[in-house]
Amino acid sequence: GQQLNQSPQSMFIQEGEDVSMNCTSSSIFNTWLWYKQDPGEGPVLLIALYKAGELTSNGRLTAQFGITRKDSFLNISASIPSDVGIYFCAGLNNAGNNRKLIWGLGTSLAVNP
Amino acid sequence: NAGVTQTPKFQVLKTGQSMTLQCAQDMNHEYMSWYRQDPGMGLRLIHYSVGAGITDQGEVPNGYNVSRSTTEDFPLRLLSAAPSQTSVYFCASSSNLGIGQPQHFGDGTRLSIL
Repeated sequence: GQQLNQSPQSMFIQEGEDVSMNCTSSSIFNTWLWYKQDPGEGPVLLIALYKAGELTSNGRLTAQFGITRKDSFLNISASIPSDVGIYFCAGLNNAGNNRKLIWGLGTSLAVNP
Repeated sequence: NAGVTQTPKFQVLKTGQSMTLQCAQDMNHEYMSWYRQDPGMGLRLIHYSVGAGITDQGEVPNGYNVSRSTTEDFPLRLLSAAPSQTSVYFCASSSNLGIGQPQHFGDGTRLSIL
């Protein structure tokens, strides 16, 4: 099925470093969602984006809805050990009454204290 | 508020057995869905429902059945378990996915088929 291209696939960084990840698609979306999944748990929403060019922050996290509507970026500033987990992007184009999110394969983040 | 509750958390089955994975939400959400998560494959949609009495297939529906008799519950049935169905299953709900309202996920059911 259709999937987003999410990169990088994995990252190993030092505590305090900034992190950047992105998702790209061949299709346009009108909603972008960013989730984090901790080991043994379900994904938890971090940021939702609804407008092209929108830049939204949630604490040390900042996400942007790309102006072309085909990409989105998530940045984490000053990483800490609890940032460890898998980050997923998901996109929705609700044209034609579509009700299915398209998911990236995730970015696995490891933080070295 | 419990959110999305999945039971059981763990299950081991033998090939050919049937079972039902339970999902309940207390947020009065219309939209509910089931995903499976396998290493390197991300989240793949199995079935979804936009309201009571309405269900539809996702990306990987074969081997699974669903029903939505109430707004709160959305059980997933494996009719004859196969080793390929070993996975982690997540249920999710949303107030209105059609306008991008985010999904809330349960903690998952870890299923092993021997």
